[in-house]
Amino acid sequence: EADIYQTPRYLVIGTGKKITLECSQTMGHDKMYWYQQDPGMELHLIHYSYGVNSTEKGDLSSESTVSRIRTEHFPLTLESARPSHTSQYLCASSERTEYSPLHFGNGTRLTVT
Amino acid sequence: AQSVTQLDSHVSVSEGTPVLLRCNYSSSYSPSLFWYVQHPNKGLQLLLKYTSAATLVKGINGFEAEFKKSETSFHLTKPSAHMSDAAEYFCVVSTGGYNKLIFGAGTRLAVHP
Repeated sequence: EADIYQTPRYLVIGTGKKITLECSQTMGHDKMYWYQQDPGMELHLIHYSYGVNSTEKGDLSSESTVSRIRTEHFPLTLESARPSHTSQYLCASSERTEYSPLHFGNGTRLTVT
Repeated sequence: AQSVTQLDSHVSVSEGTPVLLRCNYSSSYSPSLFWYVQHPNKGLQLLLKYTSAATLVKGINGFEAEFKKSETSFHLTKPSAHMSDAAEYFCVVSTGGYNKLIFGAGTRLAVHP
């Protein structure tokens, strides 16, 4: 069972709305990540964090923002959703040690109409 | 520069027959390589990882992969497919920690009775 939780699982929202995708983990992991995954495509890193108050942009440019105020919580926010934001968003975490496995949440499938 | 190519977007096998999912990589440095599996509507789960130890790596659920530097390959195999193996499989390369993971486009494995 996953120890990393994402809510909501599915979200359909209109253009221009502000949304926050929640991600929480109970493993005490320092590192957390957000990936974007389109159907049949590879995952692309959009944000990551090495710990509280640490956030970095990933390889794929994204209009979303993240925050890391608590170790266990890594929410992703879109200030004004657009149809181009329609995708699956996967949150992951890992221990500080290099090559520690990533633990993924079940994802949030976002549809912007 | 790093890259990873999964040579088959779809693989279909009969239950009880061997599975072969092919992955080639490109890396300027000694890579670490991983295979992840994603079941429908779930997050990704680590199957196995290679980090410069034994070239034949055993993972969960009877899967294994062999690192072949001369062929720049890291193919995933299983002697006998089970219906529960039907999922999407991702080959991943890294040369610098988890913020430098490069995911392949995935191979969808179908298992028929």
